[in-house]
Amino acid sequence: AQSVTQLGSHVSVSEGALVLLRCNYSSSVPPYLFWYVQYPNQGLQLLLKYTSAATLVKGINGFEAEFKKSETSFHLTKPSAHMSDAAEYFCAVSENEAGTASKLTFGTGTRLQVTL
Amino acid sequence: NAGVTQTPKFQVLKTGQSMTLQCAQDMNHEYMSWYRQDPGMGLRLIHYSVGAGITDQGEVPNGYNVSRSTTEDFPLRLLSAAPSQTSVYFCASSYSFSSGNTIYFGEGSWLTVV
Repeated sequence: AQSVTQLGSHVSVSEGALVLLRCNYSSSVPPYLFWYVQYPNQGLQLLLKYTSAATLVKGINGFEAEFKKSETSFHLTKPSAHMSDAAEYFCAVSENEAGTASKLTFGTGTRLQVTL
Repeated sequence: NAGVTQTPKFQVLKTGQSMTLQCAQDMNHEYMSWYRQDPGMGLRLIHYSVGAGITDQGEVPNGYNVSRSTTEDFPLRLLSAAPSQTSVYFCASSYSFSSGNTIYFGEGSWLTVV
C-alpha cells in the first residue's frame, strides 16, 4: 500500500522568500514520486518527478525536490517565491513495480499563498 | 494541441439522474484514468484503462462505470447520481501504463448533484 502525507494545508510566504512544501510518503516497494501544481479552476500540471535516477530533481518554474529514502521524504523547494507561484500543490506517489499499471496516490494538497 | 479534453465543464444533476462525462485524448496514449477531487482529500482514482477494451477499478469505483472502445475515448458514466458524487472530476492519460510515466490531466468537470 502507498500513501502520501503533506504537512500544512496552507503555507504563506513573502515574495522573494524560500518556498518549502513538505511531503512524506509510504510505499511497500521503491516509489515514483511526483509534484503537481493546480491553478484555480484548472487541471493539474506536472512540476517534476522522481523515477529512481538522480535524487535531486529539478522541475519547471525554478522548483526542485530531493528524494530522501532514509526520511521517506520528497519536499518541494524554490529559492525565491514569485506571485505567480500562488496555487495548490499536490505530492503523489506511484509504486515502481514492473508490469504494474500506474495508480497515483495523492496527498491532500498544500495551498501556497505569496504575499508582497 | 488539444491534449486531454473533458466535457462538459459544468453540470448540475438531480439525484437519480444518469449522465456521462466525456474524455478524449489526441496523443495516442495507452493509459487513461478518471480521478475525483474533493476538498481536503486530494485526488482519488476511480477507474483506469491500460488500453482499448481493458478497464479496471481504482480506489473509489462504486457508482461509476467506464468503457474503452477506442484508444482516444474514455467516458465515465454515472448511472444513478447521488449527492455524494458532487465533486470535480479529472480525466488523465499517459503514454504508457507503467508507473514512471508522466500523467497528463484534463481541465476538470465540475459536477453538482442536488
